[in-house]
Amino acid sequence: GNSVTQMEGPVTLSEEAFLTINCTYTATGYPSLFWYVQYPGEGLQLLLKATKADDKGSNKGFEATYRKETTSFHLEKGSVQVSDSAVYFCALSAAGTALIFGKGTTLSVSS
Amino acid sequence: GAGVSQSPSNKVTEKGKDVELRCDPISGHTALYWYRQSLGQGLEFLIYFQGNSAPDKSGLPSDRFSAERTGGSVSTLTIQRTQQEDSAVYLCASSSQMGESYGYTFGSGTRLTVV
Repeated sequence: GNSVTQMEGPVTLSEEAFLTINCTYTATGYPSLFWYVQYPGEGLQLLLKATKADDKGSNKGFEATYRKETTSFHLEKGSVQVSDSAVYFCALSAAGTALIFGKGTTLSVSS
Repeated sequence: GAGVSQSPSNKVTEKGKDVELRCDPISGHTALYWYRQSLGQGLEFLIYFQGNSAPDKSGLPSDRFSAERTGGSVSTLTIQRTQQEDSAVYLCASSSQMGESYGYTFGSGTRLTVV
């Protein structure tokens, strides 16, 4: 079946450090891929998405590229801020199915 | 409404009692989803609705869980004879249609604690 695996956290970084959160997926066909973010005390928000191979999703300085050959959708940001501290979820959607989420990765950024 | 609204935001119930959780999706959104978020377990899919019908109920953990949606709008998730393992945050989301490229808008969730 379809599934998403993302790196375990927590990830602890200093402000302005480079961030990578790994995400790999298993799916039949060609799913769409998403990153959602949950800030403390808030609901999940869509951060970015990519709907086909080699697409790059980007938002708020975050980027992720849909890599079909490695079945990956790693999240990156060149310089994190304290305000980026949150839980990040990788997710996929295949035809006719609801979003399937990874277990989430907690990011903590200190000044 | 402007966003997905869930009520109550917090619910504490005694083991064995029934609870009802409500979700009011964004007006005009035809697809509605229920997820459960437990510590360390990520988001667990429960059920989704397209209009008033539920094509996929595969995520409901047991027959104690049921959900309905009326008028293509409000949905209620009911848990009968609650158990301590039901304690979690229950999240509702909606999207303008069911399709793989449509992102979801989530509500803030209902935190259920079974004591």
